[in-house]
Amino acid sequence: DAKTTQPTSMDCAEGRAANLPCNHSTISGNEYVYWYRQIHSQGPQYIIHGLKNNETNEMASLIITEDRKSSTLILPHATLRDTAVYYCIVLTFNAGGTSYGKLTFGQGTILTVHP
Amino acid sequence: SAVISQKPSRDICQRGTSLTIQCQVDSQVTMMFWYRQQPGQSLTLIATANQGSEATYESGFVIDKFPISRPNLTFSTLTVSNMSPEDSSIYLCSVVLRAEAFFGQGTRLTVV
Repeated sequence: DAKTTQPTSMDCAEGRAANLPCNHSTISGNEYVYWYRQIHSQGPQYIIHGLKNNETNEMASLIITEDRKSSTLILPHATLRDTAVYYCIVLTFNAGGTSYGKLTFGQGTILTVHP
Repeated sequence: SAVISQKPSRDICQRGTSLTIQCQVDSQVTMMFWYRQQPGQSLTLIATANQGSEATYESGFVIDKFPISRPNLTFSTLTVSNMSPEDSSIYLCSVVLRAEAFFGQGTRLTVV
């Protein structure tokens, strides 16, 4: 699976948008971009994923550049409960592949939302 | 979605002993994954557990230290054997359903 690069930490004011960048310059054509977050002492929580089109769900938006070498996770109105470590992961879920379902976690971005 | 229950949620164990962690899923899944998260670190995959076959271990992890059982499509166990303080970590199981990975809440293990 391709490796990702994320900033170590970011701050955001409550109510403002949090924009978390991720570089994945070696991503291959069949690899998706996934975002998970881990709130202290809990298991990782799925946020969103995408292949090449921008995606939006009830939690966040995912913007993927046209060359797919980077992406940005957007939390439109950050709250104090969004304080967590955010992981950007690229992988394929092609059935039968040796990497199927395996997530390779980097160090992630520690997002701190301030009042 | 999938709901994953792990037991125990936490334990304090004596060095040299073993602990078996259970993972129960509310859906039938082909593969289950076991991760370790050492203090202040990210998650690292230990092994992939397929029902009906031997688990596949990642580099740095061996079956003698982390034996895994997978008796059916909804259950798996991970045993941490002959524990030392370096095994103090959070251990998490994970499953994949419809291109989304779900995680249990983890087992926080402290070895003293």
